[in-house]
This record gives sequence, C-alpha cells and structure tokens, in this order.
Amino acid sequence: GAVVSQHPSWVICKSGTSVKIECRSLDFQATTMFWYRQFPKQSLMLMATSNEGSKATYEQGVEKDKFLINHASLTLSTLTVTSAHPEDSSFYICSARDRDRGYEQYFGPGTRLTVT
Amino acid sequence: AQTVTQSQPEMSVQEAETVTLSCTYDTSESDYYLFWYKQPPSRQMILVIRQEAYKQQNATENRFSVNFQKAAKSFSLKISDSQLGDAAMYFCASTYNNNDMRFGAGTRLTVKP
Repeated sequence: GAVVSQHPSWVICKSGTSVKIECRSLDFQATTMFWYRQFPKQSLMLMATSNEGSKATYEQGVEKDKFLINHASLTLSTLTVTSAHPEDSSFYICSARDRDRGYEQYFGPGTRLTVT
Repeated sequence: AQTVTQSQPEMSVQEAETVTLSCTYDTSESDYYLFWYKQPPSRQMILVIRQEAYKQQNATENRFSVNFQKAAKSFSLKISDSQLGDAAMYFCASTYNNNDMRFGAGTRLTVKP
C-alpha cells in the first residue's frame, strides 16, 4: 500500500509553453501533498505544500504565479509550470501524507522536465 | 526551523564491509521524526529506516541500523554487509508536527566489488 504515482515521468516542452504534472495517491487519501525540485547531484528542495481544498503554501523564493499548484481532491495534486524556460528544467518529485498515518510521507517516482 | 546536515558528500565501501553515514540535525521541537532515504539512479526515493525521537531504542531494518544520539542531535546510518545494490545517494531527513520534510545535502555511496 501507500503508492504515489506521477504523470508524466518525462516531458519535453518548448520555451514559453506550460506543462502540467500530476501527482496521485493510488490507495490512500492524502490531505497534504508536497512538491520538491531536485537539480542534478543536489538534494530535494521543497517548493510548496498543498492541502486539499485550500491554497498551496509556497516556500520563500518560489514564484507562485509560475508554479501553479492545485490540490482538488484527496488523491490528486497538480503542478503547472507556466511559461516554462530552460532554467525550469529539473526533476520534480511529489510526496503525499496519509492522514491516517500521521507523519509518514510517500514519494512519487518523479517527473523529469526538459524545456528547450 | 529544522536543518539537516550531511558532511560526507561521498563515501566508499568494499562489498561485504560496513559503512557509516553521518547526519546531524538541529531542531527546537521535542516531538520529531528522522529518516534515511535511498535514491538510486532511477531517482525513486526509497525509505531505508525511520526513527521516532521519543524512542530511545535505535531503529534496525535488516542490514541497516541507526545510531540515534538525541542529546548530540546525531543520526548516523550503518550499513552492514554492504552489497552492490546499496550504491546510491542517501539522504537524511527530518519532520515534525505533520509538517514538511527537510533533507540533508546527501551522501553518494559507492560499493566496490
């Protein structure tokens, strides 16, 4: 149990376009989802915390108008990178917390975004 | 605020030997949780071991064990009988009060055959 999926696993888009990444909890209800960004050979950096039915909380330095997060249900959160630029190219990882298990977080497999 | 520090960017171990990865953390919370995650080349985060701060006993999962020194705020990971499949990035992390998880910079572990 406690499986989190992400779609797509890899996406290439042109500069100036928008791309949406989905994060789903497959077998549990996630009241909170987290979005991380990871550059090559670096650690995970928290971008935002997404709570079901409310606005996401962004970390300092993360542009909320550029990285739109929507947590519309207890099993789905989406990250939309708007007007993507090459510097947005990165690995994006989501995680979900099972409200019945408290502090545990379960990680998705990640999405590699390449902006050309 | 929580901070997690991993001071070893890279570590190497001979197959079948034992290696210890270091991690220190800083928190003002009394109730928190510590983790070690493995990230292989696939980049899927895999939970290796977890430790609840209120538990004095060190967590153990098969070949993986931790040395949790609460007063020193130290949380090291020991891998016994290292296997080639243990080669990966290892991240130490902490969380508290259902908040987000904070990660250390990571340690790249190489296992030599």
